[in-house]
Amino acid sequence: ETGVTQTPRHLVMGMTNKKSLKCEQHLGHNAMYWYKQSAKKPLELMFVYSLEERVENNSVPSRFSPECPNSSHLFLHLHTLQPEDSALYLCASSQGPTGAGGNTIYFGEGSWLTVV
Amino acid sequence: GQNIDQPTEMTATEGAIVQINCTYQTSGFNGLFWYQQHAGEAPTFLSYNVLDGLEEKGRFSSFLSRSKGYSYLLLKELQMKDSASYLCAVRDSNYQLIWGAGTKLIIKP
Repeated sequence: ETGVTQTPRHLVMGMTNKKSLKCEQHLGHNAMYWYKQSAKKPLELMFVYSLEERVENNSVPSRFSPECPNSSHLFLHLHTLQPEDSALYLCASSQGPTGAGGNTIYFGEGSWLTVV
Repeated sequence: GQNIDQPTEMTATEGAIVQINCTYQTSGFNGLFWYQQHAGEAPTFLSYNVLDGLEEKGRFSSFLSRSKGYSYLLLKELQMKDSASYLCAVRDSNYQLIWGAGTKLIIKP
């Protein structure tokens, strides 16, 4: 059991669909992240929110749209995705935007996305 | 550019010892992390090194040499449940985490 929960765990969507991934953290952290994990590739940081403000956007295509309504919730809105966007999308949280000192990032179990 | 290198896959025997290496070239250094990720699950924190030397935590130990840009994760008395991917990550001078692609560890009876 983790302090970061993600829904749905699995999602199959067509290229014309609009869907959203949801993340909730129960750890009292003030920073939240979206990562993309593809097979045999390093984790790719997509977005960082600190105190509900976006502080990082790593050249992610506009078909991915994050939303952070409060410090406990994070969404990733998806529209007109491409097959190459199929991956595991991980949400994470930490105390502070980069986890100062030994503070660690805590991950959710991820949402497996398949674009058909 | 920034880069983290670790072996793609390793195989070891139950009860044995295995060492997973990680080398890094980053813009500055503010700590190195090891995470464990079982298939279909969240990555979970294992260890953090910021000073040179060995950090021991039960069956797992992590070593760091900043001058060599090198770390290893040592797993002793291997158990079948240790079969997982092990991710190395370095925090750079901007406090951004740079991740390796992970090492898949297969434990055989």
